[in-house]
Formats: sequence, C-alpha cells, structure tokens
Amino acid sequence: NAGVTQTPKFRILKIGQSMTLQCTQDMNHNYMYWYRQDPGMGLKLIYYSVGAGITDKGEVPNGYNVSRSTTEDFPLRLELAAPSQTSVYFCASSQRFREMNTEAFFGQGTRLTVV
Amino acid sequence: LAKTTQPISMDSYEGQEVNITCSHNNIATNDYITWYQQFPSQGPRFIIQGYKTKVTNEVASLFIPADRKSSTLSLPRVSLSDTAVYYCLVGDGMGNFNKFYFGSGTKLNVKP
Repeated sequence: NAGVTQTPKFRILKIGQSMTLQCTQDMNHNYMYWYRQDPGMGLKLIYYSVGAGITDKGEVPNGYNVSRSTTEDFPLRLELAAPSQTSVYFCASSQRFREMNTEAFFGQGTRLTVV
Repeated sequence: LAKTTQPISMDSYEGQEVNITCSHNNIATNDYITWYQQFPSQGPRFIIQGYKTKVTNEVASLFIPADRKSSTLSLPRVSLSDTAVYYCLVGDGMGNFNKFYFGSGTKLNVKP
C-alpha cells in the first residue's frame, strides 16, 4: 500500500496564480484532512472531510477550497496565491471506530512558495 | 476549541526516560487523547492514543488521570533518533471529534 500520496512535492507560484494540491489515499479511509505548517510552528487545520461529498472548514480555510468526489481523493485548491500561503501542506486520512478516530496517516507534504 | 498546552522544549540524554505532559482543561467527555511525533521535513506519525488511565504500546506509555485534564507521554530509554517534535491532540472541546488541532508541540532534544 502506498498510504497517503501528495503531489507535487515542491512548487513555486507567483502571486495571483492558482493551483491544486493533489492528495490520494489507498486505505479506504472515510476521513481526510488538509493541514498547513509554517516554519517552526504546529500544524493548522484548513479543511476536512468525513466522506465523499462532505467537507467542512477547519481553523484557517480562507483562500482555499476543497472537494471530495471520491473516497480516495481530496484535492486542495488555491485560487489567488498570496505570500501568506507560503507553507508546507500536509494531507492526512484516518478511519473511525465508534467514537474514536484511529490513527491518522500523513503524506510527505507539499512545500509551496509564493513569490 | 479545546486548547492543549505543552512545554515548548525539553532536553534529555540517551538512555533516560522522558515524560512530556500536556494540559487539556476543556477536553470533551467523548474525546480521546492522541500523541504524534514529527521529524523535520516529514509528516507527523502516530505514537499512542488513550481515553483514561494508562495505555502502553511498543514505543511509549500514556498516563491519563481520572479528571482527564492532562496527560503524560512517557518515552522509555530515549535514543538520539527520538529527537523530534511531539504533539498532543484532543478534539475541539465540543464533542466534535472530526477535527483535530495541533498545538505548538514539544521539541525534544536528545543528547549523547
């Protein structure tokens, strides 16, 4: 199993450009998450999804959009890139057992620089 | 939002036991407590999860007192490879455990 796969690994964007960060998982997990991590800081939740067709905002959703058309894929869209969006982006997935979310599996991250 | 508070950093020496405590005063009744480890340039990795009392696995132990307002991650006999940032997570404090928030974490530095 590949687990959680993110593409691309690195990207440089110009201000105002748009792009989609791809995330796919092969573990048939219902829950998927997008986080961003600024240098020396913890991870901040951008969006999450509890299943295909269902998404909701996290702590820092402004400037981002998501969709979840399949169980496997959870792309993150940046419409008008700004320097404040320079960060490392992590996608994660997990399963639910009763009231407990089991361990989340993280991808290797996408390092995005906006200039 | 269920906020967690951890020490910013800790130093230890190889072979010692390390205990990292996390405060989560607003934890919801149904929330579990989960700890993750993160190495530089990598995504976080699950260490251990628990609800109450004590949980032990092959890499760590988790101690949770009866009031559940704090928890302690215990790493036995650390090595240099345990140098990493450790995060304590709970839900959002309102019983919505679909959201998991990472605090600033504890940077553990293991010295030879």
